[in-house]
Amino acid sequence: NAGVMQNPRHLVRRRGQEARLRCSPMKGHSHVYWYRQLPEEGLKFMVYLQKENIIDESGMPKERFSAEFPKEGPSILRIQQVVRGDSAAYFCASSTPWQSGANVLTFGAGSRLTVL
Amino acid sequence: DAKTTQPNSMESNEEEPVHLPCNHSTISGTDYIHWYRQLPSQGPEYVIHGLTSNVNNRMASLAIAEDRKSSTLILHRATLRDAAVYYCILRSSSGSARQLTFGSGTQLTVLP
Repeated sequence: NAGVMQNPRHLVRRRGQEARLRCSPMKGHSHVYWYRQLPEEGLKFMVYLQKENIIDESGMPKERFSAEFPKEGPSILRIQQVVRGDSAAYFCASSTPWQSGANVLTFGAGSRLTVL
Repeated sequence: DAKTTQPNSMESNEEEPVHLPCNHSTISGTDYIHWYRQLPSQGPEYVIHGLTSNVNNRMASLAIAEDRKSSTLILHRATLRDAAVYYCILRSSSGSARQLTFGSGTQLTVLP
């Protein structure tokens, strides 16, 4: 009964490189959320997706960041031309389709990105 | 989304009950009260949620005030493993926002 799987758990990139973070939702879940947690800061919502559709990307930075959740395979958060300020923990969560405010999210263990 | 107010930090002794308060005076009738926690270096973890009635599960109990303007998360017997940041979050059944909005939470320290 695997939960939300994120990989890699740790990723090191040099400035200007690309980072790809992957998230496989919990079995039976069709919706994915991405959050970012900067060092010593709170969790900030980035994007909410279902298969082949971005539902809400109001928290995504306007440039360099993109997310997808293809018909087959995991959801991917892509950060192009990384900068030191992108160093953070990135958490993915999954849920069943929204029906009410009772909807519960299950989070993964996170991917920790370090930009040198 | 309606906002919540929590103490920045609390301490508890191991094996004693812990009552974590949350104020949400602007709560609306369709807002569910959720609690999540984040252990050090881990992802957030769902704890419990409720709408109007008190709720119990294997992790904790949630006591909701009659006017719903406040709630209390109760850990019946704190262990060292319960040391975490606890977040009280309102989740509306109306409106378009679907994400959880995390505040700063309460940092719970459990003393041996």
